Amino acid sequence: DSGVTQTPKHLITATGQRVTLRCSPRSGDLSVYWYQQSLDQGLQFLIQYYNGEERAKGNILERFSAQQFPDLHSELNLSSLELGDSALYFCASGLAGSTGELFFGEGSRLTVL
Amino acid sequence: KNEVEQSPQNLTAQEGEFITINCSYSVGISALHWLQQHPGGGIVSLFMLSSGKKKHGRLIATINIQEKHSSLHITASHPRDSAVYICAVRTTSGTYKYIFGTGTRLKVLA
Repeated sequence: DSGVTQTPKHLITATGQRVTLRCSPRSGDLSVYWYQQSLDQGLQFLIQYYNGEERAKGNILERFSAQQFPDLHSELNLSSLELGDSALYFCASGLAGSTGELFFGEGSRLTVL
Repeated sequence: KNEVEQSPQNLTAQEGEFITINCSYSVGISALHWLQQHPGGGIVSLFMLSSGKKKHGRLIATINIQEKHSSLHITASHPRDSAVYICAVRTTSGTYKYIFGTGTRLKVLA
């Protein structure tokens, strides 16, 4: 158990809808990272927050947004969903803002029909 | 050409064999991670390297910053080592990001 909790584990929704994925980091970790893993693209870095502020941004679509709350949990919001958004979404947390070790949650599997 | 390349893409070994997985990258990095993803999908971070070598049990990871290359070695491989091993780098240029290799699928036969 990595100590990182992601909910929901599975989610099925329709195109055009909006979903929110939630991540609770390990106790004491200030950094939260979001990744997308789809069958054709492999793992892709989406975004990182550190102590409530956006720290780094990867290949995150404009339809997607994220935030980290004062209690350090984070949410990834996906809107106007398309079939291609079907993927595993992983959250990871770490102590430091930059080069610390990463601890991954079990992922949220999103299926868009 | 991908900025992070792994080889081999697939690897089948017999139990007990010494295994090497390679990762080459073409960008400036501040850290390199080796990740293990089991068939169930969960990801475990094995190592985080910025220089030199690290060892944990039967796993050894090395990095050569000048050559932009890292290797993950598994000694005395076991069927439970069967997984996908992924190399990920944290870039240094501008607003940093993580770039992942496509992974090496390892199968260790009993």
